[in-house]
Amino acid sequence: AQSVAQPEDQVNVAEGNPLTVKCTYSVSGNPYLFWYVQYPNRGLQFLLKYITGDNLVKGSYGFEAEFNKSQTSFHLKKPSALVSDSALYFCAVLPWATGRRALTFGSGTRLQVQP
Amino acid sequence: GAGVSQSPSNKVTEKGKDVELRCDPISGHTALYWYRQSLGQGLEFLIYFQGNSAPDKSGLPSDRFSAERTGGSVSTLTIQRTQQEDSAVYLCASSLGIGSQETQYFGPGTRLLVL
Repeated sequence: AQSVAQPEDQVNVAEGNPLTVKCTYSVSGNPYLFWYVQYPNRGLQFLLKYITGDNLVKGSYGFEAEFNKSQTSFHLKKPSALVSDSALYFCAVLPWATGRRALTFGSGTRLQVQP
Repeated sequence: GAGVSQSPSNKVTEKGKDVELRCDPISGHTALYWYRQSLGQGLEFLIYFQGNSAPDKSGLPSDRFSAERTGGSVSTLTIQRTQQEDSAVYLCASSLGIGSQETQYFGPGTRLLVL
């Protein structure tokens, strides 16, 4: 069975500093990996995804993520955090080799950017 | 263009009553998904529809839960004889339906509270 781990419940960073939100996964075969962000009382908003190719994926709002197959990780990064980046971030995996279309999500990491 | 819409945005019901939650997917999207977000269980898959194929119901937690999709567009999630543990945010997502690597786009969710 597939699983996603987000080891940090919360990440605190000062505005202007780089941020990293960690994600590791376990899945049979090559995974499709996604990051979503959730603002208060809102649905999930797509940030970026890794399907194949370049291990560094660029997404919305200046976010990027690095796929590392040997470490089974897909950490979300941003060079300079903004206060408006404060939200709940979810990593997800889609085990496409199984034929299933359901995303398996991590538990979420709350990002708090201090001014 | 318009995103995924869900109604109602909030629903309060009494234990034992039935509820219906509605999802309007993005126009042209043939795949539709229901997920549930709760404090205890995180984000979990419920059911997936793709065109005229039989839905993947593997995530439905009990036979009190059912969903249908009429005309390949609008979907209704029905919970019969609601229980307090059904309290959660119910999220709907849609995607083009042409391949597993595609992005799922989420609606704002319906927040259900069972008293």
